[in-house]
Amino acid sequence: EVLLLESGGGLVQPGGSLRLTCAASGFTFRTYAMSWVRQAPGKGLEWVSAISGSAAGTIYADPAKGRFTISRDDSKNTLYLQMSSLRDEDTAVYYCAKGTHSGILSAFDSWGQGAQVTVSS
Amino acid sequence: DIQMTQSPSSLSASVGDRVTITCRASQDINTYLAWFQQKPGKAPKSLIYAASNLQSGVPSRFSGGGSGTDFTLTISSLQPEDFATYYCQQYNGYPLTFGGGTKVEIK
Repeated sequence: EVLLLESGGGLVQPGGSLRLTCAASGFTFRTYAMSWVRQAPGKGLEWVSAISGSAAGTIYADPAKGRFTISRDDSKNTLYLQMSSLRDEDTAVYYCAKGTHSGILSAFDSWGQGAQVTVSS
Repeated sequence: DIQMTQSPSSLSASVGDRVTITCRASQDINTYLAWFQQKPGKAPKSLIYAASNLQSGVPSRFSGGGSGTDFTLTISSLQPEDFATYYCQQYNGYPLTFGGGTKVEIK
């Protein structure tokens, strides 16, 4: 069974930093692309960033470019999202999602339970 | 960016009803279209990929269709556990984009 468990969320002041972690199990982690998707309170889903299997490539949505960094440690079956220069509008639940293959352009087949990030002074 | 437009934004239906949700892409996305179900306070659940392929474990009352710019999600006989919000998403190109969602409520 595929399991994705996010952690690292919390309350942070504007301009601050936070690192989200997604621990994966139940599949061969290194062979699948992974993404981060967020959902602001009462809003729809917004894709944030993706990384291909074996970290061959990364890509970001415009709001994340220059501020967020996606990475993975295949030896630990773990996905990361380092977020800096956080803004009020980054407040959201952040989900990690598993791709259906290693390529960076991929559908999702599994989601984590989400991590709440609140940016507020 | 590819814009995804869902309709309706909400609907009321009864158990046993046939329900169809439409998703339109602003440009041709072939069949690179997925559907997700989300219940309040829960993570999304993947239902369909490649426009018409059911994810493992998804009941057969769910079906998807379409290609190019126009797509549908159909629930053939609505069950109590199907009341939720449904999202379409294109993965033909970056940025990946989602529709605004369709909330399916109990009549």
